[in-house]
Amino acid sequence: DIQMTQSPSTLSASVGDRVTITCRASQDISTWLAWYQQKPGKPPNLLIYKAATLRPGVPSSFSGSGSGTEFTLTINSLQPDDFATYYCQQYNSYPYTFGQGTKLESK
Amino acid sequence: EVHLTESGGGLVQPGGSLKLSCAASGFDFSSFSMNWVRQAPGKGLEWISYISGSRSTIFYADSVKGRFTVSRDNGDNSLYLQMNSLRAEDTAVYYCARDLTAGGYSPWDYWGQGTLVAVSS
Repeated sequence: DIQMTQSPSTLSASVGDRVTITCRASQDISTWLAWYQQKPGKPPNLLIYKAATLRPGVPSSFSGSGSGTEFTLTINSLQPDDFATYYCQQYNSYPYTFGQGTKLESK
Repeated sequence: EVHLTESGGGLVQPGGSLKLSCAASGFDFSSFSMNWVRQAPGKGLEWISYISGSRSTIFYADSVKGRFTVSRDNGDNSLYLQMNSLRAEDTAVYYCARDLTAGGYSPWDYWGQGTLVAVSS
């Protein structure tokens, strides 16, 4: 199975900040990587797929980059609604696997 | 508008069985592959099963293989997960999720709200 490792596990930031979350895959997954946002008591919401493609309707403050084994999710100018937990997911091969999550909290 | 609604969760004893359902609407259900994903309380996400639109391809996570069975009724726009020999570690919120694209290599663009399965004596 492909292991996905996110860092940091927790990130404290303020409204207006620029933040970056990193995701590493245990083997080459090309650009078969997605990012999800999850709020308490809600299902995950797909933000980005194919490493850098923004899902329609997702604010342009979100961006993704990377290929192979190293990926990043960047949020420019944090908004109050952005405080949530973020997961990366590889969909290169089954079993599709997730990172352990990054909780973005208000400083 | 796409809607996915899970049902069938509840409290069950270890070794027991439960069948989850996912009712789909707002899209051509038979054209999309579907998945079951679970999340234990306070934990991360775990994919557990995939079924293609035609039912010709099915995958399971090792953690549920031989105990869980996924199925679908395209005429009824419904997805199912039969769970047998349940264990305490199967306690989780179970989500159904739709593939974004056809043909493999797809993340999931729509999710249900989830149904809670609790395995305890």
